[in-house]
Amino acid sequence: EAGVVQSPRYKIIEKKQPVAFWCNPISGHNTLYWYLQNLGQGPELLIRYENEEAVDDSQLPKDRFSAERLKGVDSTLKIQPAELGDSAVYLCASSPEGAGNTGELFFGEGSRLTVL
Amino acid sequence: GNSVTQMEGPVTLSEEAFLTINCTYTATGYPSLFWYVQYPGEGLQLLLKATKADDKGSNKGFEATYRKETTSFHLEKGSVQVSDSAVYFCALILMDSSYKLIFGSGTRLLVRP
Repeated sequence: EAGVVQSPRYKIIEKKQPVAFWCNPISGHNTLYWYLQNLGQGPELLIRYENEEAVDDSQLPKDRFSAERLKGVDSTLKIQPAELGDSAVYLCASSPEGAGNTGELFFGEGSRLTVL
Repeated sequence: GNSVTQMEGPVTLSEEAFLTINCTYTATGYPSLFWYVQYPGEGLQLLLKATKADDKGSNKGFEATYRKETTSFHLEKGSVQVSDSAVYFCALILMDSSYKLIFGSGTRLLVRP
């Protein structure tokens, strides 16, 4: 069974440029998460989707961050414009319907962003 | 607020040594507790979990017991291997409407042959 797939694995951009990350969850997983992991820190939730609906986006900085999950499968996280402080690893995770509340998430390898 | 505190790393051990990684939590409700592990170049994966007081989670020789009285969930392994070198994250989830998984800052384990 294929795991959670993220791309790109690495991205280097200059500040004020836009960037987008893509995630394809495990087949059949209704719930999709985007997490932010700063260096030396644990992941922090940015947004959670149940199918197409963003059910928790309270931690997403909406002035520059946006996300979408069209058709309830893969998802894109965008930053525009990027700032130096956005340098981090962006993690995508998924879980089967009803399993997210058990804390059992399946994570991708992450997309490491460096903003110069 | 709800939070998880882990011992700082790195923790460096020789192969076959005993491992303890401390984890304590603060929660307004009654959480479930987890240990996730991140091997080099891989995504986080669930290692073990416990959902109520005095439960013991175990997997791959690792164990952790949910101690409500001390709000702790320390990770232990009797004999570590080089292949256990990774970053270990303690986490909690509250069964409120948010179902938000809250992570500690991680502890890096280095096991030397």
